[in-house]
Amino acid sequence: AQSVTQLDSQVPVFEEAPVELRCNYSSSVSVYLFWYVQYPNQGLQLLLKYLSGSTLVESINGFEAEFNKSQTSFHLRKPSVHISDTAEYFCAVSDSGAGSYQLTFGKGTKLSVIP
Amino acid sequence: DSGVTQTPKHLITATGQRVTLRCSPRSGDLSVYWYQQSLDQGLQFLIQYYNGEERAKGNILERFSAQQFPDLHSELNLSSLELGDSALYFCASSVAGRAANEQFFGPGTRLTVL
Repeated sequence: AQSVTQLDSQVPVFEEAPVELRCNYSSSVSVYLFWYVQYPNQGLQLLLKYLSGSTLVESINGFEAEFNKSQTSFHLRKPSVHISDTAEYFCAVSDSGAGSYQLTFGKGTKLSVIP
Repeated sequence: DSGVTQTPKHLITATGQRVTLRCSPRSGDLSVYWYQQSLDQGLQFLIQYYNGEERAKGNILERFSAQQFPDLHSELNLSSLELGDSALYFCASSVAGRAANEQFFGPGTRLTVL
C-alpha cells in the first residue's frame, strides 16, 4: 500500500520569500508523483507531476519539485511567493504499474502568504 | 473552470436519509473518479469508473454506491447517512483513466448531515 506524508500542516511565509512544502511517500513499487493546489472554495488543480525522466519538474507559475528516489521525497519549492499563492497544497502518489489508476493524497499543507 | 460540473453545490439532510450527487465529466473524458474530503480523513479516493464500468475501488463504504451512465455522467449514492458522512465530495475526470493522466476536479458538493 502507498502512503503520503506532508510534514507541515500549515506554512506561513512572507511575500517574496522562498518556500518549501515537504512531501514524503512510501511505496514498494515505482510511482508517479503529483502536486495539486486547492484555492478556497474550489476543486483541486494539478500544479505539476513527475512521471519519468528529469527529476526536476516545473510549473508555469514558478513552482518546482524534485523527485528524490533515495529519500522517497517530492518537495515543492518556490523561490519567491506571492499573495495569490495562498492555498492548500496536496501531494499525491500513484503506482506506475499497469492496472493502476487511483491517487493517494497527503493530508495537505496550507500555505499562507503574509503581506 | 475545469470543465467538470457537480450538482448540487450544497446539500443538507438528516441522518438516515439517502442522497444522490451528480457529476458531469469534461467533454471527451471517459473516466470519472469520486473522492471524499473531510477534516479528519483528508482526501480519500472512493471509486473510479471508466466508460461505464467500475475500474477501481478505494475506501468506499457499503452504504455508498456509484454508477456511470452511457452519456458518461456519474452519480454517487449515499444511503443511511450518518453524521460522519458530512464532507466535501469531489468528482474528477480524466481522458483515459490511467495513473499518468491528469485528473480534472469539479468544484465539489458539500454534504452536511444533521
